[in-house]
Order: sequence, then C-alpha cells, then structure tokens
Amino acid sequence: AQSVAQPEDQVNVAEGNPLTVKCTYSVSGNPYLFWYVQYPNRGLQFLLKYITGDNLVKGSYGFEAEFNKSQTSFHLKKPSALVSDSALYFCAVRAAAEISGNTPLVFGKGTRLSVIA
Amino acid sequence: ETGVTQTPRHLVMGMTNKKSLKCEQHLGHNAMYWYKQSAKKPLELMFVYNFKEQTENNSVPSRFSPECPNSSHLFLHLHTLQPEDSALYLCASSHLIGWAGGDETQYFGPGTRLLVL
Repeated sequence: AQSVAQPEDQVNVAEGNPLTVKCTYSVSGNPYLFWYVQYPNRGLQFLLKYITGDNLVKGSYGFEAEFNKSQTSFHLKKPSALVSDSALYFCAVRAAAEISGNTPLVFGKGTRLSVIA
Repeated sequence: ETGVTQTPRHLVMGMTNKKSLKCEQHLGHNAMYWYKQSAKKPLELMFVYNFKEQTENNSVPSRFSPECPNSSHLFLHLHTLQPEDSALYLCASSHLIGWAGGDETQYFGPGTRLLVL
C-alpha cells in the first residue's frame, strides 16, 4: 500500500530564511512524487513533481525538492522564504505507471507553512 | 487558473435537500476525480473516472452519486446529506497514465465549500 507522511503540522520561518517542508513516502516499486500548495479558499495548485531523472527537481515560485531514494524522502525547499509563501503544502505519491489505468494519488495530511515578516 | 472550474463555489443545504456540484475541465484530459477535504483530515479520494467510466469508488456512501457524461464534465449529486458531510469538495483532472506520453499531473479546481445544516 502507498502512504505519505508529513511529520510537521506547522512550519514557521522568518522571511528571507531558507525553508524546508518534509515528506517521506512508502510505495511498492518506483514512486511518482508531487508537491501541491493550497492557498485559503482555493484548490490545490501543482508545484513540482519527480517522475524520473535528476533527483533535484525545480518547480514554480522558486521551490525545489530533492528525491532521496535511500531515505524515501522528497523534502520541499526554498532558499529564501516570502510572506506570500504562507499556505498549506501537500506531498503526494503513487506507484510508477502501470500499463493501463490510473493509480490514484495518495496525499499527506498537509503542512501549514507560516512565513513571518 | 488551472483550467478546471467548479460551480457553485459555496453551497448551504439542509439534510433533506438535493443538489448537484459541477466540474468542467478545459485541458483535454481523460480522467477526472472527486476529492473531499475536511478540516484536520487528509484529502480523501472519492471517485475516479477514466474515459467516462468509473474506476474507483472509495467506499463512499450512496448519498453521494457521481455522473460523468463526457470526459470534460463531472457532477456530484447530493441527497439526504449529514452535517458531517460538510467539507470542501475538490474536482481534479489529468491525462490517463501512458496516454500518448501526456503529463499525468492532476490539476485541481477551486472547490465547492459545502455546509450541511
């Protein structure tokens, strides 16, 4: 069975400091990994994904994430946080593609990021 | 915006009412999803449709009835709901895995905030 853990409910960081939002996963075989962000009263917005290739993935708004297979982690990072980055962040995983059909995404419970000016 | 629209954005209904949520995607996708997002709980996948055929029903009560008349439209019909059904209902769409090498990322609508009295 697939699962995702986001160990922190809340992350606080000062504006201008680097931020990290943690995610670990469990899946049979190779994973597809995603990060989404949700602003208040909005749907989930895609940030970045890892499918294959370079372990460091760059996404929208200066975010990046590093796939670490040995630690089964996919932490989200940004070198310099902005107040506007304050939102709810979701990590998601699914097993690598089957020949047909769709394997549903499994989402973590979310981490609330608060960037303080 | 992501190309996935949902109406209405807000809905208040009594337990004896019947209402429908609508989702439309303008991305040329062939898979559509309904999720439920409740406070303090992980995102819950409710239904998956691939090419208008339902492929996933995660033990959702029968008071929720999905309908997918074509690959661009998805409905969620609601009747005799309970107060615990109050939540944000999110629609998403994606390409089917392996479909012509398409991007398989799920894109979300803004959601319908439902309150059941």
